[in-house]
Amino acid sequence: DVKVTQSSRYLVKRTGEKVFLECVQDMDHENMFWYRQDPGLGLRLIYFSYDVKMKEKGDIPEGYSVSREKKERFSLILESASTNQTSMYLCASSPQGIEELFFGEGSRLTVL
Amino acid sequence: GQNIDQPTEMTATEGAIVQINCTYQTSGFNGLFWYQQHAGEAPTFLSYNVLDGLEEKGRFSSFLSRSKGYSYLLLKELQMKDSASYLCAVRLYSTLTFGKGTMLLVSP
Repeated sequence: DVKVTQSSRYLVKRTGEKVFLECVQDMDHENMFWYRQDPGLGLRLIYFSYDVKMKEKGDIPEGYSVSREKKERFSLILESASTNQTSMYLCASSPQGIEELFFGEGSRLTVL
Repeated sequence: GQNIDQPTEMTATEGAIVQINCTYQTSGFNGLFWYQQHAGEAPTFLSYNVLDGLEEKGRFSSFLSRSKGYSYLLLKELQMKDSASYLCAVRLYSTLTFGKGTMLLVSP
């Protein structure tokens, strides 16, 4: 079975802190994605990566950065967390053909 | 811009049939996905349509009309465990753009 693992299910951080969300997949997938999910807004794409060291902005990249140093790992970084970044963050991976996205369990971030 | 519309909420009775519609207006199209998401859980894959027509998979079927920018997910013989959010997503080259989801409540 494909497994996408996110490092933390729940995090509480303070405004201005630097936050790292880690995601690891075990199926040698080329593509990895970070989405955030908010009530009434659905899933919105923050960043995605189609190869090691490659990254592309999604629909809402402001305030975020990403890192993909190894194929299996895709990190989302909030350089200076703000309260409007309180959300559920979902990582996903897919093979090159993108015939299915496999999601992690999500990381619920609260910024106080 | 991309626009994907689906109803916010639907209710249905156990054992019934329900159809969840999705319309899209996007700058490109490489396929349409349906995902199911139970509260507090990750979305799970239901179907992927690339060509026009109906694809059946057990109690779930998905239909696509590319010329109309329209898809639906049909759920038959509803069960209580089908209460969940159903997400329509359009594939645009290397990414998926999601609609806001339809919350389905199945009552006894």
